[in-house]
Amino acid sequence: QVQLQESGPGLVKPSETLSLTCTVSRGSVSSGDYYWGWIRQSPWKGLEWIGDISYRGRTNFNPSLKSRVTILLDTSKNQFSLRLSSVTAADTAVYYCARVAYGKDCDFWGQGTLVTVSS
Amino acid sequence: QSVLTQPPSVSAAPGQKVTISCSGSSSNIGDNFVSWYQQLPGTAPKLVIYDNDRRPSGIPDRFSGSKSGTSATLGITGLQTGDEADYYCGTWDSSLSTVIFGGGTKLTVL
Repeated sequence: QVQLQESGPGLVKPSETLSLTCTVSRGSVSSGDYYWGWIRQSPWKGLEWIGDISYRGRTNFNPSLKSRVTILLDTSKNQFSLRLSSVTAADTAVYYCARVAYGKDCDFWGQGTLVTVSS
Repeated sequence: QSVLTQPPSVSAAPGQKVTISCSGSSSNIGDNFVSWYQQLPGTAPKLVIYDNDRRPSGIPDRFSGSKSGTSATLGITGLQTGDEADYYCGTWDSSLSTVIFGGGTKLTVL
């Protein structure tokens, strides 16, 4: 089964950029059958879709976050990454990476990583 | 407040059946596939239903999904204590151009 693992800082200062990486194993980010996505979860907003990227680098973003989000694919490392700029306390959440089917269902998830925005 | 509406909680006894509803609109459930996720405490969500009514490999047939118009339903039969979790529906919203999720339903197996 495909496995995904998030990594990155657990603490980010306000106004700075949150950066996370998702490493995929037992599967390839170059697969044309799936997208690779980021989702976050907080007590105040529940599950929130951030965006996804295809093997060709085509991206889809949540319009509410689009101006601050970058998602990149690194096929050489079998990874994809998330960058969220100008963070505030409202961006504090557990961030998940996931494999996304064309029906937009997420069939495999990473374990999640808590990112806290605080000075 | 979520675009997709789920009851905050449901409960039933072991061995019984429970249904969880997810109400949306023509721009989301009415026009796109619905998926359902189970989230056990302290873990990531797990896909239990996709494309309205299909089960991923490894998900028991106690779990079922259906969709009618702008609403979807998750059914779980033969309830077990291990089914206690939060359940979320999700779908694409054609107007918002993003995936949206329901607010989640906490299932308690009494």
